[in-house]
Amino acid sequence: NAGVTQTPKFRILKIGQSMTLQCTQDMNHNYMYWYRQDPGMGLKLIYYSVGAGITDKGEVPNGYNVSRSTTEDFPLRLELAAPSQTSVYFCASSYQAGELFFGEGSRLTVL
Amino acid sequence: KNEVEQSPQNLTAQEGEFITINCSYSVGISALHWLQQHPGGGIVSLFMLSSGKKKHGRLIATINIQEKHSSLHITASHPRDSAVYICAVLTQGGSEKLVFGKGTKLTVNP
Repeated sequence: NAGVTQTPKFRILKIGQSMTLQCTQDMNHNYMYWYRQDPGMGLKLIYYSVGAGITDKGEVPNGYNVSRSTTEDFPLRLELAAPSQTSVYFCASSYQAGELFFGEGSRLTVL
Repeated sequence: KNEVEQSPQNLTAQEGEFITINCSYSVGISALHWLQQHPGGGIVSLFMLSSGKKKHGRLIATINIQEKHSSLHITASHPRDSAVYICAVLTQGGSEKLVFGKGTKLTVNP
């Protein structure tokens, strides 16, 4: 069972570069989430989606964009990467607002 | 003030001890999640509660909606229980979203 798959697991970016973190789930979940986790801090919601074609901002959306063209995929786009975006990123999904399933995380460093 | 507060932040126990981790929240919620984050970073869901009590093996989770408080208990703790335990609440309202506590780091020594 694949569950929630995130890629890449690790990435180093230079300031000003752009990249996309990919997230795919094969459980037909309608809710999907992107979080970031900074050292010693709780998970903070970046963006979420309650279904294909619907996205909403979370607590810390600045510097990021998302799209949800299919139920399965919820990519997170970083434009003009900044050192403040160095973090571990987690994608998660659930059916309605039920049990959460997390990806393994993507560790991003911006130098 | 954070909408979700956990206590303690850090907890060290001896193997076999009974563990309690607390979570208080200040917003209306639809449900509360308890999550476990292993030292390697992976996060797994332990419980989802909207009322009462749930039990799974040595883990018990309770919630008191009126007092806006939940507890996670671990009976007969074991070194493999060492992890960060995270409380998250699903807020009520037009746009449901999850708000996380900062986590409780548990270390169980043999």
